[in-house]
Amino acid sequence: DTAVSQTPKYLVTQMGNDKSIKCEQNLGHDTMYWYKQDSKKFLKIMFSYNNKELIINETVPNRFSPKSPDKAHLNLHINSLELGDSAVYFCASSQGAGNQPQHFGDGTRLSIL
Amino acid sequence: QKEVEQNSGPLSVPEGAIASLNCTYSDRVSQSFFWYRQYSGKSPELIMSIYSNGDKEDGRFTAQLNKASQYVSLLIRDSQPSDSATYLCAVNVSTGNQFYFGTGTSLTVIP
Repeated sequence: DTAVSQTPKYLVTQMGNDKSIKCEQNLGHDTMYWYKQDSKKFLKIMFSYNNKELIINETVPNRFSPKSPDKAHLNLHINSLELGDSAVYFCASSQGAGNQPQHFGDGTRLSIL
Repeated sequence: QKEVEQNSGPLSVPEGAIASLNCTYSDRVSQSFFWYRQYSGKSPELIMSIYSNGDKEDGRFTAQLNKASQYVSLLIRDSQPSDSATYLCAVNVSTGNQFYFGTGTSLTVIP
């Protein structure tokens, strides 16, 4: 049973396109996150939702728009993709925000041509 | 100053030795500290969490926390080649309910 699942695993697309990444967790957690890990392996938080409410919104271009239809799902839509968006995007979840460990999905490797 | 700092390494130790990984953080009121292991091409997986000063042991892993000095470390005893990975330190920040991750330390255990 996959705890945090992301789709797709790989995404190859051209500059200027719009794409979405989906994330679902079956752990019963109430908080979900999106992280970006660049080529230098630095893991940087982008967004966090607690019970469908946005609680963390880091300095991210507004081309990135998260959406949480319910507390088990957090999707990420990216408009007008740019070369610098190439990275691995990880979804994570935790019970409560901040002081509980996060469980990560397998990541989505986004490559912009 | 970065919120969480780690020596990026690479750190190489022979099989069977103790690997020592260190992490410092800037927020004096941080309460929760975590170590994650990330194999190349994989997602981070939680190894240890520690919330109070002192040592916490789990198998071959020991986490050490010193809030006065603002550092947290991870010791891996009897290191195995399968321990070769990047180790990420994560600290919760008192404001904003979020984690900050360090840049990770790359560990290689040489057979």
